[in-house]
Amino acid sequence: SQQGEEDPQALSIQEGENATMNCSYKTSINNLQWYRQNSGRGLVHLILIRSNEREKHSGRLRVTLDTSKKSSSLLITASRAADTASYFCAVVNEKLTFGTGTRLTIIP
Amino acid sequence: DTAVSQTPKYLVTQMGNDKSIKCEQNLGHDTMYWYKQDSKKFLKIMFSYNNKELIINETVPNRFSPKSPDKAHLNLHINSLELGDSAVYFCASTGDRTYEQYFGPGTRLTVT
Repeated sequence: SQQGEEDPQALSIQEGENATMNCSYKTSINNLQWYRQNSGRGLVHLILIRSNEREKHSGRLRVTLDTSKKSSSLLITASRAADTASYFCAVVNEKLTFGTGTRLTIIP
Repeated sequence: DTAVSQTPKYLVTQMGNDKSIKCEQNLGHDTMYWYKQDSKKFLKIMFSYNNKELIINETVPNRFSPKSPDKAHLNLHINSLELGDSAVYFCASTGDRTYEQYFGPGTRLTVT
């Protein structure tokens, strides 16, 4: 399975701090995506990074991709209480497969 | 405007019953999906349709039968419901080869 596995499973930080989540996968990919899921809601697409890209930014989000290590990281800078959610990576080859998710809690 | 909508939002039913969940997208996408999210938040793809044609059918009991009357709609019918079917079911759609997914709000199914 090329399912992404995320680390840590849960993360609690103070508001204003940076949050880093990691995703590892097993096979080659076309792209890797990150999604956010607020409690009781559907997933929302955050950012996509292609296999030939190494880093991408979107607002307070920074994603890196290391295809040699088959890993990606999502950094959220200057965290806010509203960032409290579950974050999932999803790897894309012929189809999209979701990781196991990181539960992020921002403490006000 | 709701991009991907699902009905119902909550569904409580007894074991052995048959139920359906409906999904509609107004994004003009060609591909739609059904996912199951269990109590541990693990998200697993069940089915995928492209332009009304089934293209992905993961290992799902044949009690689950998807139907796509047109490319904007994908319904899920479940026969003989079991306790283990309790989960949140998400519909999603995608419009390009990046497979960026647009999710519906989910249907929380509880089987008692």
